Amino acid sequence: DAGVTQSPTHLIKTRGQHVTLRCSPISGHKSVSWYQQVLGQGPQFIFQYYEKEERGRGNFPDRFSARQFPNYSSELNVNALLLGDSALYLCASSLMGEGGLTITEAFFGQGTRLTVV
Amino acid sequence: DAKTTQPPSMDCAEGRAANLPCNHSTISGNEYVYWYRQIHSQGPQYIIHGLKNNETNEMASLIITEDRKSSTLILPHATLRDTAVYYCIVRVGMKTSYDKVIFGPGTSLSVIP
Repeated sequence: DAGVTQSPTHLIKTRGQHVTLRCSPISGHKSVSWYQQVLGQGPQFIFQYYEKEERGRGNFPDRFSARQFPNYSSELNVNALLLGDSALYLCASSLMGEGGLTITEAFFGQGTRLTVV
Repeated sequence: DAKTTQPPSMDCAEGRAANLPCNHSTISGNEYVYWYRQIHSQGPQYIIHGLKNNETNEMASLIITEDRKSSTLILPHATLRDTAVYYCIVRVGMKTSYDKVIFGPGTSLSVIP
């Protein structure tokens, strides 16, 4: 079975540009979460989406946005890129049961390494 | 979610047991202890979780103290491939509608030949 897949694996952008990162969850998983991991730190929660709706949001500016599609894949968009946005962006998927309750641990993809120059 | 405290780094000889401690003195009654690890340049990998009983799976064992204020992850026979950053996390159990994992800085485990 395929795990969580993210694309692209690496990306270089210039300050002020925008970027779109993509994530495909494990088949059957309806919840997708996004994390930012700056070098030397643990991942920081950005968003969780379930059934195309935002379930939770971390302490990130409005330049960060996301959406989830009918096939449960997801995109993370970042506008007006700053040098400080350089990081590994991780996507995680979880299996949700009745009532939208998480019933498995989060499975992480390999991430997208974003470098802003 | 409760905060956890872990040593920043540890060494372990290959083939020996690696014991990674975690303090979570403010843990609530409905919060589980989870462990993830992250091998360099890869996404975090789930290892094990528990509420109050000790747990064992094919990867590791989790020992939780009776007062639940601390726990230890045990890798019984560490190999070089176990070199990674290990994260101890406490959070409301999986049956929650809000799936957010809060990571601290973790423990960088180096397995030495």
